[in-house]
Parts: sequence; C-alpha cells; structure tokens
Amino acid sequence: QQPVQSPQAVILREGEDAVINCSSSKALYSVHWYRQKHGEAPVFLMILLKGGEQKGHEKISASFNEKKQQSSLYLTASQLSYSGTYFCGTRLTGANSKLTFGKGITLSVRP
Amino acid sequence: SQTIHQWPATLVQPVGSPLSLECTVEGTSNPNLYWYRQAAGRGLQLLFYSVGIGQISSEVPQNLSASRPQDRQFILSSKKLLLSDSGFYLCAWSVGAMGEKLFFGSGTQLSVL
Repeated sequence: QQPVQSPQAVILREGEDAVINCSSSKALYSVHWYRQKHGEAPVFLMILLKGGEQKGHEKISASFNEKKQQSSLYLTASQLSYSGTYFCGTRLTGANSKLTFGKGITLSVRP
Repeated sequence: SQTIHQWPATLVQPVGSPLSLECTVEGTSNPNLYWYRQAAGRGLQLLFYSVGIGQISSEVPQNLSASRPQDRQFILSSKKLLLSDSGFYLCAWSVGAMGEKLFFGSGTQLSVL
C-alpha cells in the first residue's frame, strides 16, 4: 500500500519553512524519511516508530501521528542544501510488512 | 565502516538483450539486500529482497530475476530486456529488522532502446 505524499512539489526561498506530508490508509508501524539529490542515491534522514514521536536531523524534524496514520516533515529555515526529492516510506503493522515508498516530493530551495 | 558498491553506473542496452547488474556490500555480515527501481513519477519500487544466501523474495512480477550467490553479493538479471525495464536501479542493504534504515548504492541508470 503506497503512502501518499503531499504537496507534489515545493519551491521556497532560502530561510523559509516548509512542511511535507505523508499519509496512509492503513495502520502504520513506522515511517521512514529519505532525501535524494538529483542523480544520487537516497540518503536516510530518520525513522519514527511511535505514535506522536518527533525526531530531528539538522533543522529538519518530523512527527508521526499514529492515530491519523500520518507523518509530517518540517524543514525550518531552509538551506540550499535541502533541495532534493523527499521520500517517505511506511511499514504497516503486522508480520512481514515491507517498507513501501511514496512517489516523492521535489523540494527546491532558491537563493 | 560499511560500503556498498553498485555497477555499472550507466548502461544502454537494446531491447531483447540480457542484463546483469551487480551489487556488493563490505563491512557487514548477513545483511538484508534489496533491489529497487525508480521510474519517473513512481517513486522507489521494491523489486526483490533477500535475507540470506539463496533466499530471494519477489515483490513485482516481471521479466527480471535476482540472485544472491554470496552473503554480500546481490545480482539483478534479465534474459531479455523490455523497453519498460528502463529506469534507475538501486541496490540497498540493511541489518536487523526488515526495512530498517536502508543504505543505498549509487545506482545504475538503465536505458533500453
């Protein structure tokens, strides 16, 4: 079950904030966030395992609302280096659940 | 430290030709290994994963196959490529629980013409 990411694309100026969302129609065990720069491999950002959990990476943080089956990625005071495609991956509750990625969101930070 | 090697970086193949992409991991034992394909607008699609030598699980029916002849070697193959096989292929590894913290290789851009 592929998670749904929104919005489809984000364009912002350096120093602005942005929020990227990831939602599932099924109960989630975990949410994983990765960032991929053009032509490169995706790089792990963070995993969220518990309902209501928040984590941070640099000035990027994320929340996981287990009840709503949603996660949001918060980019604060964005830097040019934040540009790339952000993927969320989700694992459903239940044995043998596989990590399934969304289609990704392209984020462009401009000077 | 652990590293993952994937080659070739770029490949152009005619329709109907065979394919072999190789991935090796160093610095860890008994990793979980994965092949993903990334097509435009479709995100990261899991093709195969392996939890051990000779153990391959397929996620998507297609004309591709995977093999794991050694603990840290994962090979993606096809006997006859289709146009629809074009895409960016990524190998990844993890340790511990399935799907936890993936480390991706640099990828292979495959163009089938």
